[in-house]
Amino acid sequence: ETGVTQSPTHLIKTRGQQVTLRCSSQSGHNTVSWYQQALGQGPQFIFQYYREEENGRGNFPPRFSGLQFPNYSSELNVNALELDDSALYLCAVQRGGYNEQFFGPGTRLTVL
Amino acid sequence: RKEVEQDPGPFNVPEGATVAFNCTYSNSASQSFFWYRQDCRKEPKLLMSVYSSGNEDGRFTAQLNRASQYISLLIRDSKLSDSATYLCVGLSYNTDKLIFGTGTRLQVFP
Repeated sequence: ETGVTQSPTHLIKTRGQQVTLRCSSQSGHNTVSWYQQALGQGPQFIFQYYREEENGRGNFPPRFSGLQFPNYSSELNVNALELDDSALYLCAVQRGGYNEQFFGPGTRLTVL
Repeated sequence: RKEVEQDPGPFNVPEGATVAFNCTYSNSASQSFFWYRQDCRKEPKLLMSVYSSGNEDGRFTAQLNRASQYISLLIRDSKLSDSATYLCVGLSYNTDKLIFGTGTRLQVFP
């Protein structure tokens, strides 16, 4: 097991609402990345946090924001939800000398 | 052109068969490479990293050809439990972001 947990596992929201997703790692890895996976697609990089600072961002609008805490847990916040935000949201921690990333089980978000 | 491209399949093969997946990449996705396996409605799980000299892990062999910018995964003696989607992944320079292909679906039948 990766030791990466995410909460909640499932979530249903309506358009315009805001959502907060959480990620934590047993081993407290200092680099965490967030990905969005739409149905039938590969995961798309949202952003990465390293030691509580954003360290790279993908092609996502500002209404996607994040935080990393001193204990290296992390949050993904999405404001003004749109129908297309319905997806599996994955966080990943980085470890190993080869920059390998290990994923949590994901949060499945449905926007109605 | 997508940064990482792979044939979506599906590949339907009998147990015991050998199956190969290929994937091509652009320059932006070329620091390191990986194959991930993803079961239906689950998270991607790292299958193996891909080393420049090629590497093998049991029934799985990965190859990297930097001149032609493609990566391959060979699965020998397919098992029913190998049925899954296989994601070809590159690690970009500068941002350490993973760049995923859309995945190739494998179905192994008895």
